[in-house]
Amino acid sequence: EVQLVESGGGLVQPGGSLRLSCAASGFTFSNSRMTWVRQAPGKGLEWVANIEEHGTEKYYIDSVEGRFTISRDNAKNSLYLQMSTLRVEDTAVYYCARIHDFWGQGTLVTVSS
Amino acid sequence: QTVVTQEPSLTVSPGGTVTLTCGSSTGAVTSGHFPYWVQQKPGQAPRTLIYNTGNKHSWTPARFSGSLLGGKAALTLSGAQPEDEAEYYCLLSYTGARPVFGGGTKLTVL
Repeated sequence: EVQLVESGGGLVQPGGSLRLSCAASGFTFSNSRMTWVRQAPGKGLEWVANIEEHGTEKYYIDSVEGRFTISRDNAKNSLYLQMSTLRVEDTAVYYCARIHDFWGQGTLVTVSS
Repeated sequence: QTVVTQEPSLTVSPGGTVTLTCGSSTGAVTSGHFPYWVQQKPGQAPRTLIYNTGNKHSWTPARFSGSLLGGKAALTLSGAQPEDEAEYYCLLSYTGARPVFGGGTKLTVL
């Protein structure tokens, strides 16, 4: 059974940092492009970042470029999103996905003072 | 800034047919945009129904189909069921591996 399980969300003050993790199982993680997608409360889906199979190519939406870092550990079947200099507008549920077919259940990040 | 456009809302009668569309501010949508269609029901995680324009997963009900129509990506639902009531998002890929979601279509089955 395929599973993507996110963790690491929570409440953080503006300007703070948070690291999200995503544990993958049930498919060949090391052969998969992986993605973080977010959804602000009551809003639509927004692509945040991609990382290619070997982790050498990474892409970000402009609004998080320079603040967020996507990474992966293929030995641990894990995906990460290091988020820094967080803003109120980063408040959202963050989904880990292999968009082609598999999505996690999401983890809520709330940026508020 | 690339914008992907979808109908904000549509209504279909049970058993009826409806087509959702997905346009791009850069011009015609082609197979090279590798259109995806993602379904999200209230309180649930998204689920990918269609990939690469018209390919289905094993969990995609046969009543859903994807295509290109008039310069847009299209998702057609034939024989709507109450459980199809959901938000539907299209996703288009662009050069530089930075895909863009549409704003979503809220589909009501009534």
